[in-house]
Amino acid sequence: DAGVIQSPRHEVTEMGQEVTLRCKPISGHDYLFWYRQTMMRGLELLIYFNNNVPIDDSGMPEDRFSAKMPNASFSTLKIQPSEPRDSAVYFCASSFASSGAFFGQGTRLTVV
Amino acid sequence: ELKVEQNPLFLSMQEGKNYTIYCNYSTTSDRLYWYRQDPGKSLESLFVLLSNGAVKQEGRLMASLDTKARLSTLHITAAVHDLSATYFCAVVVTGTASKLTFGTGTRLQVTL
Repeated sequence: DAGVIQSPRHEVTEMGQEVTLRCKPISGHDYLFWYRQTMMRGLELLIYFNNNVPIDDSGMPEDRFSAKMPNASFSTLKIQPSEPRDSAVYFCASSFASSGAFFGQGTRLTVV
Repeated sequence: ELKVEQNPLFLSMQEGKNYTIYCNYSTTSDRLYWYRQDPGKSLESLFVLLSNGAVKQEGRLMASLDTKARLSTLHITAAVHDLSATYFCAVVVTGTASKLTFGTGTRLQVTL
């Protein structure tokens, strides 16, 4: 298996634009997580899904952020409109049972 | 709210020396994980600890868990430069499925 695949790896966008981050989890995993990493706040859990259903989105910072998982092999995290304070590395991770989460390579987002 | 604290936040150590990183958490946990992150890279799973008294070892790293004290340790034996990285512990709170909450991270620098 190729592991968790995220795209794009890098994204630079202007303030106010819509940004969509994509994730393909490991086949057979039933949990999918979106994390954000910054120097100031460390690793924050934004939202996670179980069997494609959102379980906990309490970490989503505000209504500008939304996430979907239309099927077991694909998820998106959307920011609309984007702001400079959204600049961070966004990680997608997937897991099965108590295996621990396997992380993708991350998307480095810069909003200018 | 679950709090996961690591100390130290930064550790500079000489090659060949031993040291321990500590991870304290504030509520009952099902399991605990240790991850490694190299600069600019993703997170790599090192250990999963599932029960009180669990001990796992891989090379120069050994992790242990004391659920009564809500404490996990990551012990480094005879450090080598290749171990330089940031180490995170992550906790799954009882009853929250696979929701991982990460500690602050410990940046380890091993010098000659």
